[in-house]
Amino acid sequence: GEDVEQSLFLSVREGDSSVINCTYTDSSSTYLYWYKQEPGAGLQLLTYIFSNMDMKQDQRLTVLLNKKDKHLSLRIADTQTGDSAIYFCAESNQAGTALIFGKGTTLSVSS
Amino acid sequence: GAVVSQHPSRVICKSGTSVKIECRSLDFQATTMFWYRQFPKKSLMLMATSNEGSKATYEQGVEKDKFLINHASLTLSTLTVTSAHPEDSSFYICSARGTVGRETQYFGPGTRLLVL
Repeated sequence: GEDVEQSLFLSVREGDSSVINCTYTDSSSTYLYWYKQEPGAGLQLLTYIFSNMDMKQDQRLTVLLNKKDKHLSLRIADTQTGDSAIYFCAESNQAGTALIFGKGTTLSVSS
Repeated sequence: GAVVSQHPSRVICKSGTSVKIECRSLDFQATTMFWYRQFPKKSLMLMATSNEGSKATYEQGVEKDKFLINHASLTLSTLTVTSAHPEDSSFYICSARGTVGRETQYFGPGTRLLVL
């Protein structure tokens, strides 16, 4: 079945860039997502990318997609303490279907 | 952006009782809603897909008689955990997909269930 893998932890200093990586196995993945979850809260959609795109940038966030290697990354520029959270990578192979999530990467930002 | 609410945000109940969790799309019509369960330090696991006006589709291993889902309107889906047991304690999160922008799912804030 489909699988989404992420590293579990990332620690950075405030002001540095953070790069969170994700790999997936489903070659028919069409949409790839990044969600943010703060403690005790639900998931906030940060951004998503369609599989025919290589890159998407939205303010401090840059998503890179290497479809050949099935690798997705999220770069957060000028990381702030408020960015500390769990970041989930997710994929779906069809618009409107349920998402397959990775286990989440806990980002810790120190000042 | 689209807003999805869940109620209650937190519930504690005795073993054997039933608990109903509501998921509402506040500013859009949601033809499809999804119910996920999240264990501590684990990913979200899809429980069921709920389509307005029809029976929910449950994932393998999810007991449909234990987790009753009703999607009676385009803005409301409910999950009822029947005869709850301590192992049902978890964080339940719903998401909703509208009729426009089908690739985007908006998540509710989650409901923390603790069964004593």
